[in-house]
Amino acid sequence: DTAVSQTPKYLVTQMGNDKSIKCEQNLGHDTMYWYKQDSKKFLKIMFSYNNKELIINETVPNRFSPKSPDKAHLNLHINSLELGDSAVYFCASSQDLGGEKTQYFGPGTRLLVL
Amino acid sequence: DAKTTQPTSMDCAEGRAANLPCNHSTISGNEYVYWYRQIHSQGPQYIIHGLKNNETNEMASLIITEDRKSSTLILPHATLRDTAVYYCIVRVGGGATNKLIFGTGTLLAVQP
Repeated sequence: DTAVSQTPKYLVTQMGNDKSIKCEQNLGHDTMYWYKQDSKKFLKIMFSYNNKELIINETVPNRFSPKSPDKAHLNLHINSLELGDSAVYFCASSQDLGGEKTQYFGPGTRLLVL
Repeated sequence: DAKTTQPTSMDCAEGRAANLPCNHSTISGNEYVYWYRQIHSQGPQYIIHGLKNNETNEMASLIITEDRKSSTLILPHATLRDTAVYYCIVRVGGGATNKLIFGTGTLLAVQP
């Protein structure tokens, strides 16, 4: 039973292309997130959505556009891919439980831009 | 910036307890301490969290000092599969704006 799943697992593409990464959670959570882990292994939050509404946008270039069709899905579309976009992208979800919002992460999508 | 500082790396013998320290001297009264770990190439895995009291679950124990300025994660009987980067995180923000700010973590190497 996969709690937070991402597709694809690996993505290799050329500079300038447009690509999407999908995330789904079956935990019934109301908040979903995207994080980026670069080559130096730093994990940084990019976006969060609560009930399909954008809550956090950490000054990410507008080439990145998250879309949440429903509470269980948060997709990440990236336009005009650049070399620096190569990284591992992690999706996460959480549920507010009286102030405790433990986030659960997906397995990651490894993006390589050539 | 992360509100925590951790040693870069630690070693532990298999079967022994692993004690991972973390300093969070600027933590606010309503901010939780979370621990995650990341085994090579996998997504971060939740371990445990706490606010003021010590906590224990099937994976680990979390000891938080009375002034809340530091904490220790204890893996009671480390195995080779516990080799990972362990992140101590102070969760910032309330409600839907909460976010985890990851630092560099501690690479725990469990030795046979």
